[in-house]
Amino acid sequence: KQEVTQIPAALSVPEGENLVLNCSFTDSAIYNLQWFRQDPGKGLTSLLLIQSSQREQTSGRLNASLDKSSGRSTLYIAASQPGDSATYLCAGGLAGSGNTGKLIFGQGTTLQVKP
Amino acid sequence: DTGVSQDPRHKITKRGQNVTFRCDPISEHNRLYWYRQTLGQGPEFLTYFQNEAQLEKSRLLSDRFSAERPKGSFSTLEIQRTEQGDSAMYLCASSLRTGEDTQYFGPGTRLTVL
Repeated sequence: KQEVTQIPAALSVPEGENLVLNCSFTDSAIYNLQWFRQDPGKGLTSLLLIQSSQREQTSGRLNASLDKSSGRSTLYIAASQPGDSATYLCAGGLAGSGNTGKLIFGQGTTLQVKP
Repeated sequence: DTGVSQDPRHKITKRGQNVTFRCDPISEHNRLYWYRQTLGQGPEFLTYFQNEAQLEKSRLLSDRFSAERPKGSFSTLEIQRTEQGDSAMYLCASSLRTGEDTQYFGPGTRLTVL
C-alpha cells in the first residue's frame, strides 16, 4: 500500500529564512508528484508538478525535487515571507492503476513564517 | 472565474438527512475527482470520472454515497442518511485529459453533521 509521509508536521521560521519541506513515499511506482498549498478552511492550490521522468521543477521562489530511487521529494522555499504561511501537501500519482490520476496525499506540513 | 467551483461552501445537517454537493470543473477538463479531507489529514480519494463515466470508486465510498456526472460536465455527490462520521471537507478537482495532468482543486464543501 502506498503511503506518503511528510516531515516535519509543523515548522516555524523567521521571515527571510530558506527552508526545506520533506516528503517520502513507500512505493517508487509513482508517475508524478504534486505539491499543493492549503490555507485554513480553503481548497488546495497546485504549486508544482514533477513527472517521474523529471528530477525537479521551479516556480519563482519554489523548487521541488524528486528522487524516485530513494522515495523522496523536497520542496525548497527561498527567502520565506509571512504570506507563505500555510499547510503544504505533497501527493503522489500512482502507476499501475491505469493512470487514474488518483493522488495519495501526505498529512501536510504546517508552516508559519514570523515577521 | 475559470477555476473549479463547488456549491454549497458550507452545509450543516442533522444525522439521517440526505445532502447533495455540486462541482463545476474547469471548462474542457475531461477528468473530475472527488476527495474527502478530515481535520488535520491530507485528502483521501473517493472517486473519479472520465467524461461522464465513473471509472473508479474508493472503498471509502459506502453505498450511502453516490456520484454522477451527467453529460460529462458538472458532477454531484450525494450522501444519504448522513452520519456524524461523514463530517469533513469534500473537495472536487479536475484535470485536462490524463492521469498525468495537474489537478486543480475547488474551494471545497465543508459538511457538518449534527
